[in-house]
Amino acid sequence: RKEVEQDPGPFNVPEGATVAFNCTYSNSASQSFFWYRQDCRKEPKLLMSVYSSGNEDGRFTAQLNRASQYISLLIRDSKLSDSATYLCALSGNTPLVFGKGTRLSVIA
Amino acid sequence: GAVVSQHPSRVICKSGTSVKIECRSLDFQATTMFWYRQFPKQSLMLMATSNEGSKATYEQGVEKDKFLINHASLTLSTLTVTSAHPEDSSFYICSALQYRGAEAFFGQGTRLTVV
Repeated sequence: RKEVEQDPGPFNVPEGATVAFNCTYSNSASQSFFWYRQDCRKEPKLLMSVYSSGNEDGRFTAQLNRASQYISLLIRDSKLSDSATYLCALSGNTPLVFGKGTRLSVIA
Repeated sequence: GAVVSQHPSRVICKSGTSVKIECRSLDFQATTMFWYRQFPKQSLMLMATSNEGSKATYEQGVEKDKFLINHASLTLSTLTVTSAHPEDSSFYICSALQYRGAEAFFGQGTRLTVV
């Protein structure tokens, strides 16, 4: 099993739709979890950290399931500007490890 | 958030030449910086971990004599791609941690094209 796995997509959704991404990980010792957003030819930017209790930031909700070893990102009321690649990342006793990213295209 | 500045943002060089990329933490001290490489439509792949004042730790498959890393101060790490080849063309990104387990702040990345 790869250390971090994500569905590469692309996810093509209409404006206003709700879309969810999952990211599975193999290292049970992972302690910190994040979702990053990366626009084409740009550096990744932190979207949100993922806490055990789940957390919400506006239209974005992140959740962590330690038992099943996955994290999720839910985007409600998608906007055109949400089009990007979403990378999950985690760290623990190793440097930050990234998934390959899931590409989202929000269509008018 | 903390600011990490990476320079240059884009460079084109001839095969066989060397290219130096700088990564600076502008408003915090970074004892540890990371260097990643990203090929088109691929994930960020960690190349090496750079610790201030000591030798970098390279990931398996990354040639330390080809990718020279220097972390001489708490705010600056450099990556030198020596004897560059076209297959080294990629997007190189550095990141720095303010403290262990926290979010990583990224530089703007350097797009290297070797012709």
